[in-house]
Amino acid sequence: SQTIHQWPATLVQPVGSPLSLECTVEGTSNPNLYWYRQAAGRGLQLLFYSVGIGQISSEVPQNLSASRPQDRQFILSSKKLLLSDSGFYLCAWSGQGGHQPQHFGDGTRLSIL
Amino acid sequence: QQQVKQSPQSLIVQKGGISIINCAYENTAFDYFPWYQQFPGKGPALLIAIRPDVSEKKEGRFTISFNKSAKQFSLHIMDSQPGDSATYFCAAYSGAGSYQLTFGKGTKLSVIP
Repeated sequence: SQTIHQWPATLVQPVGSPLSLECTVEGTSNPNLYWYRQAAGRGLQLLFYSVGIGQISSEVPQNLSASRPQDRQFILSSKKLLLSDSGFYLCAWSGQGGHQPQHFGDGTRLSIL
Repeated sequence: QQQVKQSPQSLIVQKGGISIINCAYENTAFDYFPWYQQFPGKGPALLIAIRPDVSEKKEGRFTISFNKSAKQFSLHIMDSQPGDSATYFCAAYSGAGSYQLTFGKGTKLSVIP
C-alpha cells in the first residue's frame, strides 16, 4: 500500500532563517505531488504541485519554493522565513490522470519566532 | 468562480443524531467532489467522493447527496458518534487539465454524548 511521510512534525524557526521540509511517498511510482498550507478557518491553499521530476508549478507567489529531485521526493524550501510563513504545511500525492483522489501526509506545524 | 462555499463553520450534534454539512459551487467545470475528514494534528483523509452523474453515494454511515442543477452537494453522517468529531472539508476538482482541488473552508463537527 502507498504511504506518505513528512518531516519534521513540528518546527520552530527564527525569522530570516532558511527552511527545508521533506516529503516522500512509498508504494507508488510517478505520482503527482502537492504542497499545501493550512491556516485556521481558511481551508487548504495549494502552494505547489509537480507532475514529474524537476517539474514544479506554483499556484501562489510567495517566499517559498519547491523542488522534486527524485520521483517520490518533494521538498519545500525558503531562503529567509517571514513571520507570515507560520502555518501547517501538508504534502499530498495522487495518481496520474483525471479524478485521482489526493492523499495527505500528517503535516508539519511551522512556527516562526 | 473557483470557490467552494461550505456551511456551517461549526456544528454540534448529539450522539446518534444526523450531521449535515453543505457545500455549493459556481464553476460548472467541476466534475469530481471529494470529502475529507481531518483530526487535530493530522492531515486530511479522503472520506468519500462523488461525480455529478450520480445523485447520491453511500458508504456506511456517510452519504453524499448531489444536486447538479443547484450546484450543491452535502455530506450526511447518520448515527453520529463522538469519534466522528473532526473537521470536514468538501472539495471540488476539475479534471479538465487542472490538478488543483478547490477546498471549502471546513466544518468543525463536535458530537456530544
